[in-house]
Amino acid sequence: GAVVSQHPSRVICKSGTSVKIECRSLDFQATTMFWYRQFPKKSLMLMATSNEGSKATYEQGVEKDKFLINHASLTLSTLTVTSAHPEDSSFYICSAYPQVGEGYETQYFGPGTRLLVL
Amino acid sequence: AQSVSQHNHHVILSEAASLELGCNYSYGGTVNLFWYVQYPGQHLQLLLKYFSGDPLVKGIKGFEAEFIKSKFSFNLRKPSVQWSDTAEYFCAVRPFSGGYNKLIFGAGTRLAVHP
Repeated sequence: GAVVSQHPSRVICKSGTSVKIECRSLDFQATTMFWYRQFPKKSLMLMATSNEGSKATYEQGVEKDKFLINHASLTLSTLTVTSAHPEDSSFYICSAYPQVGEGYETQYFGPGTRLLVL
Repeated sequence: AQSVSQHNHHVILSEAASLELGCNYSYGGTVNLFWYVQYPGQHLQLLLKYFSGDPLVKGIKGFEAEFIKSKFSFNLRKPSVQWSDTAEYFCAVRPFSGGYNKLIFGAGTRLAVHP
């Protein structure tokens, strides 16, 4: 199946700093990627849709200036948590789907990035 | 608003017991349906999906799910669970309206299988 990677897998930062998380589709191209946030013992909450070559689409209630998304190429999307606060501590997961071939229209998920803001 | 309900938040079974996890969604139009599994410490993996055709779909590891359109349901089943099935299971729906390919997830069901 299609493989999506994330880096880093875990990050600890000080309050007020910015953290960048990368999401890569390893064996397929993806014009669209998705960023989710998963709270402990809760479901995934879609934060935004990342579009290659254009602005991301944010879900209601998600601060676009807080969570900057850049989809620089057909295999890479980045999420930057700016001026991080302890309440931003969470598990961030990205997904992408192949646009042709096997797995078409099925989202494949990265392993997630655990962010802890002190 | 579109939503996905998973009624069982926590299920505990013994090995060899049968499993059925409920999933209902609220959307009147065409949908694609998915079940994902998240094993402890691992990422979400696709168990099975329904796009069209036979409403009874078979997935990996002996899982199957049945789409009942009239009930807006997509329940997951396995006739005999194993200890290795201990994981969290998420039902997801993709409505065919605006935001194409946007998934809406249920709250998840945590399954614990005891030997």
